[in-house]
Amino acid sequence: DIQMTQSPSTLSASVGDRVTITCRASQSISSWLAWYQQKPGKAPKLLIYKASSLESGVPSRFSGSGSGTEFTLTISSLQPDDFATYYCQQYNSYSLTFGGGTKVEIK
Amino acid sequence: QVQLVQSGAEVKKPGASVKVSCKASGYTFTSYGISWVRQAPGQGLEWMGWISAYNGNTNYAQKLQGRVTMTTDTSTSTAYMELRSLRSDDTAVYYCARDWGAVDSSGYYDYWGQGTLVTVSS
Repeated sequence: DIQMTQSPSTLSASVGDRVTITCRASQSISSWLAWYQQKPGKAPKLLIYKASSLESGVPSRFSGSGSGTEFTLTISSLQPDDFATYYCQQYNSYSLTFGGGTKVEIK
Repeated sequence: QVQLVQSGAEVKKPGASVKVSCKASGYTFTSYGISWVRQAPGQGLEWMGWISAYNGNTNYAQKLQGRVTMTTDTSTSTAYMELRSLRSDDTAVYYCARDWGAVDSSGYYDYWGQGTLVTVSS
């Protein structure tokens, strides 16, 4: 299986900060990567697919970039609603895998 | 509006089976697939598999092969996930999610069910 490694595992930030989360794949996955946001007790929410395509209805402060093995999710100006856990997910192979998650906490 | 509504929480003994349902509404069921993802308490997300609501084709995670079966009932727009020979480490919230792929999995999911907690305990 392709391993997905996210960093950092926890991130402390303030409202208005620019936040960047990194996801690395153990082998090339082209641009077959999605990002999800999950809040406690809730289902994940799709933010980005195909590495950089913004899902409909998702605020433009979220953006994704990268290809091959290294990807980033950027929140340009952190809002109170953005404190959550973020997961990357590769879908290059028939065995899909998620990263371990990055928890964005209030500083 | 698109909705996926899952069945309620279950408590099972080790060795038993569980079958979770996921009723879809607000879209043409057979034009998409359904994937299942689980999350153990305090842990990350784990992909379990995908089923085409169009033709019933499936793709299961290798670690669950032989223990999991995914099915659909197109007459009621409902997907099912059955997991057998339950162990304590199967305790998790199980989610269904809409997959854009009707014939082959798209790999990403735009709508999710609310989750079903399955607890395996003696």
